[in-house]
Amino acid sequence: EIVLTQSPGALSLSPGERATLSCRASQSISASFLAWYQQKPGQAPRLLIYGASNRATGIPDRFSGSGSGTDFTLTISRLEPEDFAVYYCQQFGRSPRCSFGQGTKLEIK
Amino acid sequence: EVQLVQSGAEVAKPGESLNISCEASGYSFTSYWIAWVRQTPEKGLEFMGIIYPGDSETRYNPSFQGQVTLSVDKSSTTAYLQWSSLRASDTAIYYCARQRGVVAAISSWGQGTLVTVSS
Repeated sequence: EIVLTQSPGALSLSPGERATLSCRASQSISASFLAWYQQKPGQAPRLLIYGASNRATGIPDRFSGSGSGTDFTLTISRLEPEDFAVYYCQQFGRSPRCSFGQGTKLEIK
Repeated sequence: EVQLVQSGAEVAKPGESLNISCEASGYSFTSYWIAWVRQTPEKGLEFMGIIYPGDSETRYNPSFQGQVTLSVDKSSTTAYLQWSSLRASDTAIYYCARQRGVVAAISSWGQGTLVTVSS
């Protein structure tokens, strides 16, 4: 099983600041099979990024993804109030043996 | 607009059977896979398995194989997640979701169904 470890577990930032979230895989995965999701309290997750760097439909361009091999990054260039949420990475290359990271909680400072 | 509307919260006892549903609309139901994802505070998000409504091909994450059953009803564009004998550890929020292929990101999610198993 591929284990995804996200860091930090929580991140406190102010609106307007830049957020950098990390997702590390226990073994190398194809960037094509890495996605990022956002989840707000009481809501289902929402797809932000697929294929490590492709924004999903309707996702603002302040969200960007990068990485390869075992190290992937989600960057939010300038935080808006609505961006404070929990973010998850997912690998799906061995579907249905998909796995999610444990999440990074982005909090308002 | 793609919509996945799940059935309401359930409370059940250990050993009971249960069926929760996910009604799809706004797209060709038989052309996309339906995934089921479990969420708990302890283990986070867990991918349970996927089913293709076109021919009911089903693939389970080995961690959930034999624990649940996925099914669909094409006539009502509804997917189902079934348990034959619930355990307290099945207490969780369950999401249905849509993905384009077996190996694909989840592009749309249902609102979730809270299942509570308690004696």
